[in-house]
Amino acid sequence: DTEVTQTPKHLVMGMTNKKSLKCEQHMGHRAMYWYKQKAKKPPELMFVYSYEKLSINESVPSRFSPECPNSSLLNLHLHALQPEDSALYLCASSQDKVGYGYTFGSGTRLTVV
Amino acid sequence: GDSVTQMEGPVTLSEEAFLTINCTYTATGYPSLFWYVQYPGEGLQLLLKATKADDKGSNKGFEVTYRKETTSFHLEKGSVQVSDSAVYFCALGFNKFYFGSGTKLNVKP
Repeated sequence: DTEVTQTPKHLVMGMTNKKSLKCEQHMGHRAMYWYKQKAKKPPELMFVYSYEKLSINESVPSRFSPECPNSSLLNLHLHALQPEDSALYLCASSQDKVGYGYTFGSGTRLTVV
Repeated sequence: GDSVTQMEGPVTLSEEAFLTINCTYTATGYPSLFWYVQYPGEGLQLLLKATKADDKGSNKGFEVTYRKETTSFHLEKGSVQVSDSAVYFCALGFNKFYFGSGTKLNVKP
């Protein structure tokens, strides 16, 4: 299995809703990442988990809450989002060194209304 | 700090034309370099990578050479197809992962 699987593919949520994005990989990768991508821009790093521990939080607002229940799963919990949070959210994984490159999921297209 | 600088787009070519997308990097050490491709509505796919100077890579007709002397990692393809229309990102992996700004390629029949 050489894939990163993200669900759902599309999500529309209101500003008072709580929702979660899910990411799963079975490649034995020990680092997992959340990225946010706005239209016509490169992905921006949000969070890094290394060996199931949060190692980097790029000053992301607390309305985004990551969780890594085990080495194969990564969640992003969303609460009280703003319309400007609408974007493509990408999950990625890698072996424990960034020099090996990332494997990306196909993303969740989030729309906040 | 470490960074990549990528050619601005969009790039519009006719089918079977030659493609070059320029990418240069700045790094204090010896980074690994990558090209990712993003088709409309999709995530990023790894297209090519090189882990050391003078490495060459090829995939789906695309070629790259990691040139340490010019700190470059240009993407080339001898004959583009309409199906190559996508956004291409150069990336550097060292202590962190850095993306270029992306280059949109439009290939017309």
